[in-house]
Amino acid sequence: GENVEQHPSTLSVQEGDSAVIKCTYSDSASNYFPWYKQELGKRPQLIIDIRSNVGEKKDQRIAVTLNKTAKHFSLHITETQPEDSAVYFCAAKWMRNTPLVFGKGTRLSVIA
Amino acid sequence: EADIYQTPRYLVIGTGKKITLECSQTMGHDKMYWYQQDPGMELHLIHYSYGVNSTEKGDLSSESTVSRIRTEHFPLTLESARPSHTSQYLCASSESGGGDTQYFGPGTRLTVL
Repeated sequence: GENVEQHPSTLSVQEGDSAVIKCTYSDSASNYFPWYKQELGKRPQLIIDIRSNVGEKKDQRIAVTLNKTAKHFSLHITETQPEDSAVYFCAAKWMRNTPLVFGKGTRLSVIA
Repeated sequence: EADIYQTPRYLVIGTGKKITLECSQTMGHDKMYWYQQDPGMELHLIHYSYGVNSTEKGDLSSESTVSRIRTEHFPLTLESARPSHTSQYLCASSESGGGDTQYFGPGTRLTVL
């Protein structure tokens, strides 16, 4: 089955700096890679996703890049703001009728 | 408004009690999931269902059971609650076919004394 490794587990950045979170996956058949943000006391919410036929996707200050050869994908947040502070989870889907496999999460703190 | 609903939101119960956590969705989704999560920590998949009368166990060994008698309803039952079950339980759903995005409910925070 699929295995997803996420790094780092914690990340602190100054407000206005960029943050990068990286995930690696094990199964080359995986074809869908979402990122979820979970604020304190809230439910995880999808913030961006990418499919295997695309190398990069952007949505305002966030972007996701996918390297299928190396089997890794990354979340990039530019011009970070205090409200970006949260736990971020990456995930991968490796077969049609299998659940998402989640990474262990990254706790991002944006320091004002 | 289409959403995922979980009740109760908070539950404090004694050891040995039987409890059922409710999850309903008005998203029209066929697939539903239960996760266990300590606050801000890793998401552990405990059960999932891809349709009525279909249930599968996830990666986390659990003493819980689920049923899927109606498409919109996916309750989780603990036959005998223990302090080790203290955690947050998140329900989620997703579309069939090409829809892979999972949408999460607000969670039930369970404390077993």
